[in-house]
Amino acid sequence: RKEVEQDPGPFNVPEGATVAFNCTYSNSASQSFFWYRQDCRKEPKLLMSVYSSGNEDGRFTAQLNRASQYISLLIRDSKLSDSATYLCVVNYGGFKTIFGAGTRLFVKA
Amino acid sequence: NAGVTQTPKFRVLKTGQSMTLLCAQDMNHEYMYWYRQDPGMGLRLIHYSVGEGTTAKGEVPDGYNVSRLKKQNFLLGLESAAPSQTSVYFCASSKTGTSGGADTQYFGPGTRLTVL
Repeated sequence: RKEVEQDPGPFNVPEGATVAFNCTYSNSASQSFFWYRQDCRKEPKLLMSVYSSGNEDGRFTAQLNRASQYISLLIRDSKLSDSATYLCVVNYGGFKTIFGAGTRLFVKA
Repeated sequence: NAGVTQTPKFRVLKTGQSMTLLCAQDMNHEYMYWYRQDPGMGLRLIHYSVGEGTTAKGEVPDGYNVSRLKKQNFLLGLESAAPSQTSVYFCASSKTGTSGGADTQYFGPGTRLTVL
């Protein structure tokens, strides 16, 4: 079983739709959680950190469920520019940072 | 402020050839990392450095060597390239390490390497 698992998608949604991604992690000792965004043939960039109480950044909402060991990302009012691969990232402490393989999102006009 | 830069952007090698990938950052970050990204897999850490003159092995270090002679540069070497090393290589840097509260990692644009 992979340490960090994501549905690879692709998710195809129309503009204005709400879409949600989940990510599960296997190590209960995980300490820090993030969502990165990676555009096609580009480098990953931090989208947002994920806090235990949940956090929001504009149209993006991240949630953490430690009991069930998953994190989620909700995107509201999807834009064409949201089309990208979203990477779930989990840090277990020290330099043990695990990147998920990513979930691809296509937003259509 | 260029952030993190990588050279070259593309390279094709024959099996057994050697090469060095250069990563440079101008953000005065202490920590630097080399990852590889393969289809269907997440980024995997090859080597990392916590400061000038220091290096450490990551998850997949075999076949690679690194050096951090200057704080701003982190070099990744392939002594004898193999087809299994065909991948996209990303360098990253962060202000602090990923100990406890992990710090944001800033990535370079990547190097696409093909080994024939």
